Amino acid sequence: AQSVTQLDSQVPVFEEAPVELRCNYSSSVSVYLFWYVQYPNQGLQLLLKYLSGSTLVKGINGFEAEFNKSQTSFHLRKPSVHISDTAEYFCAVRRLGNTPLVFGKGTRLSVIA
Amino acid sequence: GAVVSQHPSRVICKSGTSVKIECRSLDFQATTMFWYRQFPKQSLMLMATSNEGSKATYEQGVEKDKFLINHASLTLSTLTVTSAHPEDSSFYICSARREGSNTEAFFGQGTRLTVV
Repeated sequence: AQSVTQLDSQVPVFEEAPVELRCNYSSSVSVYLFWYVQYPNQGLQLLLKYLSGSTLVKGINGFEAEFNKSQTSFHLRKPSVHISDTAEYFCAVRRLGNTPLVFGKGTRLSVIA
Repeated sequence: GAVVSQHPSRVICKSGTSVKIECRSLDFQATTMFWYRQFPKQSLMLMATSNEGSKATYEQGVEKDKFLINHASLTLSTLTVTSAHPEDSSFYICSARREGSNTEAFFGQGTRLTVV
């Protein structure tokens, strides 16, 4: 079985500062990795995904993440955040094949003006 | 990108009644749809996997007789919460995966169910 740990439940950060949201996963088989963003009372929007190849993945809204197999991590980063980035962020993994996503508990990013 | 529409976005119902939530893939065919439940300030928990034309596969601890899932076509899956109770109040989200795709699933907007 797979599991995902998001180490920080809340991350406050000032506008235009950099941010890193941490994600570690556990799996005995190869997995795909994802980051999603959720705004209040809405569904999830895909930020980026790692399937294979380059370990540095660039996504939408200026976010990027780096897959580190040895540390089983997939941390999300943005060099300069905006107020509009305030939301809940979920890291997720799934096994290869037609399998469901397993989500972490989420990190609430609050950008302070 | 692919669009998944979930309806209704909000619903309030009385205890003991049933509520149906629809999940539609608007511009692609989805052989597989997933239903998740999200408690306040918590993560998404998979309830069931729905494959078109076959019975849904429920996760352990999810009552299949209470949460009826039907996936009658390649563009529509429904979740019916039967004999709803206040503890069923939650945010329900569906996601759909393209036919033949092995990677990304697209999410609906979610349904906020409140049982009074």
